[in-house]
Amino acid sequence: SQQGEEDPQALSIQEGENATMNCSYKTSINNLQWYRQNSGRGLVHLILIRSNEREKHSGRLRVTLDTSKKSSSLLITASRAADTASYFCATDAYMAQGGSEKLVFGKGTKLTVNP
Amino acid sequence: NAGVMQNPRHLVRRRGQEARLRCSPMKGHSHVYWYRQLPEEGLKFMVYLQKENIIDESGMPKERFSAEFPKEGPSILRIQQVVRGDSAAYFCASSPPGRTYEQYFGPGTRLTVT
Repeated sequence: SQQGEEDPQALSIQEGENATMNCSYKTSINNLQWYRQNSGRGLVHLILIRSNEREKHSGRLRVTLDTSKKSSSLLITASRAADTASYFCATDAYMAQGGSEKLVFGKGTKLTVNP
Repeated sequence: NAGVMQNPRHLVRRRGQEARLRCSPMKGHSHVYWYRQLPEEGLKFMVYLQKENIIDESGMPKERFSAEFPKEGPSILRIQQVVRGDSAAYFCASSPPGRTYEQYFGPGTRLTVT
């Protein structure tokens, strides 16, 4: 079953507004990561937050992690048209089969930033 | 330091043909992962390999799919007798030793089966 679930599935905002995306997961994790994917392209790593961290910042990105609720949020402040993309959260399984650190992705949030 | 390389970027195959997808990890990375992405979906793990070893293939379909990462050369994902349902984007990622959660993704190969 899917580990990460993002919501909303789609989000449309105006340039300059903030965008908030949420991710929920089911099992214990080591790390949670957020990736961006432009249409038809590969994934770009945005930020990693460890299970013992609660908040992390990187430029206009702010990520929070609540392990008691098994959820994370990604906030993009002062959005730009270039932020238009799909955003995915990925968790690595705590007790992965065979000891591997496979990442488990949600279906993503499709963000559209209108100029 | 070049990133993860994948080729071809686009591949068209007729039903029943074989598809070979290649992945060269980043320099110094010894772990390779393959993921598949269907349209409008997230990535799904397929297989995790180290040099000459398959570590975890729990996400690989039991038939027609195989993967290898030889001592020399790129990792290969091979799909035999492709069917329309195999049409998807296939992404490779690599990670450095000791930091397997830190995965860097290639641009993907988009496979279309006609």
